[in-house]
Amino acid sequence: QVQLVESGGGVVQPGRSLRLSCAASGFTFSYYPMHWVRQAPGKGLEWVAVISYDGANRYYADSVKGRFTISRDSSKNTLNLQMNSLRVEDTAVYFCARDSSRYYTGMDVWGQGTTVTVS
Amino acid sequence: QTVVTQEPSFSVSPGGTVTLTCGLSSGSVSTSHYPSWYQQTPGQAPRTLMYSTNTRSSGVPDRFSGSILGNRAALTITGAQADDESGYYCVLYMGSGIWVFGGGTKVTVL
Repeated sequence: QVQLVESGGGVVQPGRSLRLSCAASGFTFSYYPMHWVRQAPGKGLEWVAVISYDGANRYYADSVKGRFTISRDSSKNTLNLQMNSLRVEDTAVYFCARDSSRYYTGMDVWGQGTTVTVS
Repeated sequence: QTVVTQEPSFSVSPGGTVTLTCGLSSGSVSTSHYPSWYQQTPGQAPRTLMYSTNTRSSGVPDRFSGSILGNRAALTITGAQADDESGYYCVLYMGSGIWVFGGGTKVTVL
């Protein structure tokens, strides 16, 4: 079945880096744009970044622009998020999500999330 | 910076109907914003209910429906059930690859 599994979360000090991964299975990974969405403790959902189906285009929320880099490896069906210069306010559960079509029409499949704590 | 607005909370009786809305601090929501709706209970991943305004996600019962009402996107729940008690989030596409979530609506069924 269609599945997304995040990994790589943990506890990290402010200013340090962390790399999250999302393993996709059960669908043609290279067909869909992929998103990262986060949720700080007790807060709502916040969109973080999206990468186009072919990796050619990447877009970021202002809160992470210049610090985070989204990438994908279609040979491994893997989505990544490289997080540099981490801040306390980046503490959140990070979800990867698939877009519902090739051209940005909304997220439809979600992973279970991985927790990042910056402290 | 455009803010996506949702009602903070709503109460509905079992079997009743409730319409949640998703608006913009400036301007109107249209289908070009591809409004999408997610249900989330604490500690769980979001569950997709609707994307691209009114496309129901796989397995979502037809008592959930999406639409544009006036200048806002809307999610209507008909025949509310106890397990509909949850948080509901909308997200809108702002163009240039950018998406923005609303603050969420907490729905109570009582």
